Amino acid sequence: DTEVTQTPKHLVMGMTNKKSLKCEQHMGHRAMYWYKQKAKKPPELMFVYSYEKLSINESVPSRFSPECPNSSLLNLHLHALQPEDSALYLCASSQDRRDWDNSPLHFGNGTRLTVT
Amino acid sequence: AQRVTQPEKLLSVFKGAPVELKCNYSYSGSPELFWYVQYSRQRLQLLLRHISRESIKGFTADLNKGETSFHLKKPFAQEEDSAMYYCALRYGGSQGNLIFGKGTKLSVKP
Repeated sequence: DTEVTQTPKHLVMGMTNKKSLKCEQHMGHRAMYWYKQKAKKPPELMFVYSYEKLSINESVPSRFSPECPNSSLLNLHLHALQPEDSALYLCASSQDRRDWDNSPLHFGNGTRLTVT
Repeated sequence: AQRVTQPEKLLSVFKGAPVELKCNYSYSGSPELFWYVQYSRQRLQLLLRHISRESIKGFTADLNKGETSFHLKKPFAQEEDSAMYYCALRYGGSQGNLIFGKGTKLSVKP
């Protein structure tokens, strides 16, 4: 399995809802990432987990809450989002953030989130 | 500060023509550079990385430290090369974050 799988593919939620995005990989990668991509813009890093520990939080608002239950799973919990949070949320993984030569990112297809 | 610049938002060429997608970077340390590609309705995927010095789908990219550039080239463009191309820089230290340029949309016309 050489894929990063994200569910759901599409999500529409109201500003008072609580929802979660899920990401899964079975490549044995030990680093996992959440990126946010607005239309016609490049992906922007949100969070990085390395060996199931949060190592990077790019000043993301607390209404986004990441969770890494194990080395294969990465969740993004959403609560009280704003319409401007509507975007494509991309999950990625890499073998090991400390192994420069062999750590390209593998991206999932993303979850298209719409906040109404 | 680290920065990746892709000066062209859109590049349109005819099939069989050479193509060059420009990328310049700003980083004081030793950079690691990548090209990612996103075809229509598909996931973002790695195309090239400079340390591999490989040719993928006919594309090559050479790191020029003097000009701080990592331009992507292909001698003969194909229609299936039409996609969004992102140049990315990973910078060192304990962070190892990847930052992306704004992307260039390549359109190859028949």
